[in-house]
Amino acid sequence: GAGVSQSPSNKVTEKGKDVELRCDPISGHTALYWYRQSLGQGLEFLIYFQGNSAPDKSGLPSDRFSAERTGGSVSTLTIQRTQQEDSAVYLCASSLDATNNQPQHFGDGTRLSIL
Amino acid sequence: KQEVTQIPAALSVPEGENLVLNCSFTDSAIYNLQWFRQDPGKGLTSLLLIQSSQREQTSGRLNASLDKSSGRSTLYIAASQPGDSATYLCAVRGGGSYIPTFGRGTSLIVHP
Repeated sequence: GAGVSQSPSNKVTEKGKDVELRCDPISGHTALYWYRQSLGQGLEFLIYFQGNSAPDKSGLPSDRFSAERTGGSVSTLTIQRTQQEDSAVYLCASSLDATNNQPQHFGDGTRLSIL
Repeated sequence: KQEVTQIPAALSVPEGENLVLNCSFTDSAIYNLQWFRQDPGKGLTSLLLIQSSQREQTSGRLNASLDKSSGRSTLYIAASQPGDSATYLCAVRGGGSYIPTFGRGTSLIVHP
């Protein structure tokens, strides 16, 4: 069966450009998370979606970051006016629902490099 | 605020050894704890999920235990193999939040 799919797998762009990262969760999973993983750092939570509820955006580092989830499925993370410190691996995870007995399943991430 | 620490940060062992990886957390009011492995250039693969009411979970050569009162979990790997080489992370969910807190991981190398 299909797991969590992220695209692109790699993205290189110039400072100041906007980028869009895509996540396709496992079919039927209502909870979706975005994380950032920088070299030598742990996973940094960015944003969490659960069904039709308002997303938890408490982890977004600045107003240059935004995310949406259309139709309760595919999610897009947008970074505007990229900076070099945005370079990292962006990971998406989904789980069946928001109850605490469901494991998270991760995609392989998008490696973002800002020149 | 929950803090999760993993010790050791790195470990190199010969094939065949039994291993213990440690994960400690500061707030014992947790819902669950999940262990993952991450291979280079890949995402996280779920290994075991322990609910707060459970003491341990087993899958093949892996056994994870949970002691909430002391704020600790251990991942035991029996008869390690080179294919076990990866970074192992633990994540704790609790405190009324659905957002897990991750440790920084233990980088494991099993050499033939």
